[in-house]
Amino acid sequence: DGGITQSPKYLFRKEGQNVTLSCEQNLNHDAMYWYRQDPGQGLRLIYYSQIVNDFQKGDIAEGYSVSREKKESFPLTVTSAQKNPTAFYLCASSNRDDNSPLHFGNGTRLTVT
Amino acid sequence: DAKTTQPPSMDCAEGRAANLPCNHSTISGNEYVYWYRQIHSQGPQYIIHGLKNNETNEMASLIITEDRKSSTLILPHATLRDTAVYYCIVRVGGAQKLVFGQGTRLTINP
Repeated sequence: DGGITQSPKYLFRKEGQNVTLSCEQNLNHDAMYWYRQDPGQGLRLIYYSQIVNDFQKGDIAEGYSVSREKKESFPLTVTSAQKNPTAFYLCASSNRDDNSPLHFGNGTRLTVT
Repeated sequence: DAKTTQPPSMDCAEGRAANLPCNHSTISGNEYVYWYRQIHSQGPQYIIHGLKNNETNEMASLIITEDRKSSTLILPHATLRDTAVYYCIVRVGGAQKLVFGQGTRLTINP
C-alpha cells in the first residue's frame, strides 16, 4: 500500500540526548513536512522540503534539524537545544501541484524526561 | 495565509447530516479551502478541498459561499466513526505549508 510510515510510534529519551524520528513515503511525492502537535493544540510547522537536498524552516524550527538526501525520506532530529521536546510529531508529504493536499503519517509520540 | 474561525465543538446524532461551519473572511482570491480531520493519536486525514465551486467526494461535500468568506463541510450521514477534530484550512495554491487552527471537535451521538 502507498503511504507514509513514521517510526517508532512511541519514543522515550532522557533530557540532553539527541533523537532522530524517521519518516518514509512511497507516494513519489516531492514535498515533505514535519509538524509538531501539543495536547489540545493544532499543528505547528517545524521544517519542510520541496525537493531533494533542499529544505526550509517552518514556524518553530529552533532546536530541530532535518536532511533530505533521498526523495522517500525526511528524518527529523530533535536536539538537546529544543526546550520542550515532548510532543506528538507528524510527518506529511504532497505533490508540488498548486492545490495538492498533504497526506500525513500516523505520528511519533516523543517523551523526554 | 488567511486565518479561519471554527466553533470549538459540535454534537450530531448518528445518521443525521453533520454541518461544520468555517469562517475565512480574509481569504484571498487564490487561496483554497481544505478540510482535514484527526482522530485521537492519529495523523490528520484529508477530506476535501475547493477554490470557489462546491465539491463532493465519497466522504463529504464542501459548500463555499459566493463571496468565499465562509464554507461548510457536510457529512451526509454521520456515523460514530466520524467523531474527530475537524480542521478548516486556507492555503495559497502552490504554497507548501498548511497552517492549522484549533479545529472543531465533532461528537457523533448514538
